[in-house]
Amino acid sequence: SAVISQKPSRDICQRGTSLTIQCQVDSQVTMMFWYRQQPGQSLTLIATANQGSEATYESGFVIDKFPISRPNLTFSTLTVSNMSPEDSSIYLCSVLPLAGLGNEQFFGPGTRLTVL
Amino acid sequence: AQSVTQLGSHVSVSEGALVLLRCNYSSSVPPYLFWYVQYPNQGLQLLLKYTSAATLVKGINGFEAEFKKSETSFHLTKPSAHMSDAAEYFCAVSENSASKIIFGSGTRLSIRP
Repeated sequence: SAVISQKPSRDICQRGTSLTIQCQVDSQVTMMFWYRQQPGQSLTLIATANQGSEATYESGFVIDKFPISRPNLTFSTLTVSNMSPEDSSIYLCSVLPLAGLGNEQFFGPGTRLTVL
Repeated sequence: AQSVTQLGSHVSVSEGALVLLRCNYSSSVPPYLFWYVQYPNQGLQLLLKYTSAATLVKGINGFEAEFKKSETSFHLTKPSAHMSDAAEYFCAVSENSASKIIFGSGTRLSIRP
């Protein structure tokens, strides 16, 4: 398994500002993903964080709004830029361990973001 | 493209009754299928997964799911509901062991005393 921590756990931000969320894993992982869970909704994949190269974004998500970094095999950041109230969500990091069997992804505890 | 459809955004059963949460998938390749549970204000936890081995998959907390290719279904069941089963349940699909997971819309399970 993998133990995942996210910082901050929650934040309240003003419209127009940006927030960077950190995801740290206790072991090296092959893949890292960022999801968004809007209030009362399911999880939507934002992007796959690629180590050493640009992230791969899903339809409807762009790098300018959600820049992602992944400098190594255990750490990634997601920035929510120029925030609006519609960005209020839980943002979750998930990982696929190096020794994962059957593609079991592990999820972080999430970052609860409220934009005023 | 892969997708999952969960029938019923909200299911309510009596304590001790059978739990049945429905999930149908769409995939152009043999899928990997998952059920995740999210308890109120908590993170996601894997209940069980299907990876092309046995079609009947047993998970944690007494849950199990059966992969039926002919019906493109992967319904989640539990013989006897417990109050602690109240949560949001997500069915999910992926293409292979190294690809992204796509989630269904979720089903909220309520348990009546």
